[in-house]
Amino acid sequence: EDKVVQSPLSLVVHEGDTVTLNCSYEVTNFRSLLWYKQEKKAPTFLFMLTSSGIEKKSGRLSSILDKKELFSILNITATQTGDSAIYLCAVSPAGGTSYGKLTFGQGTILTVHP
Amino acid sequence: DTEVTQTPKHLVMGMTNKKSLKCEQHMGHRAMYWYKQKAKKPPELMFVYSYEKLSINESVPSRFSPECPNSSLLNLHLHALQPEDSALYLCASSQDELAILAKNIQYFGAGTRLSVL
Repeated sequence: EDKVVQSPLSLVVHEGDTVTLNCSYEVTNFRSLLWYKQEKKAPTFLFMLTSSGIEKKSGRLSSILDKKELFSILNITATQTGDSAIYLCAVSPAGGTSYGKLTFGQGTILTVHP
Repeated sequence: DTEVTQTPKHLVMGMTNKKSLKCEQHMGHRAMYWYKQKAKKPPELMFVYSYEKLSINESVPSRFSPECPNSSLLNLHLHALQPEDSALYLCASSQDELAILAKNIQYFGAGTRLSVL
């Protein structure tokens, strides 16, 4: 069974801090890893990672994947209160009847204080 | 535009009621998904439709009945639900679950918050 574990489960920081969120996974046939941000309701897409060692970047957010060690990190620099959210990591397997299945981690609850 | 629209936003129903949740996308996506999310938990996959055919059913109880009338629309029919079915129901779509990787990103709607009394 595919498994995704995120750490820490919650994190409280002050504006301006840099945070690193972790995601480790076990999946039978890896296709991609995705990061989502969930504020009130809809998870919104941040990054999709498929290749090791290639950093994806969007503004203050960046993410990288290590396929050998089976983990990914999401970095947020110069955090703002608007970054407060649940950050979800999910893996997508390839092959057979597993296409379309996203297995999510428990999420990391990030709280940024002014 | 990556919009997935879900209606209603909130729904309260009794255990004997029949209701439906609706999900719509106009991005030309051919894969659509239903997820259930309990408080402080990640989304759990319920159903996947690919090209209007049910491709994955994650052993969901029959009181949940999905329907995909066309490529833009996905319904979830609810009947004889239990209080433990109260949750946020999320719909998502992706261009094609079998396609190249960049088209496999799932985009989520805002969800329907369901309360079963």
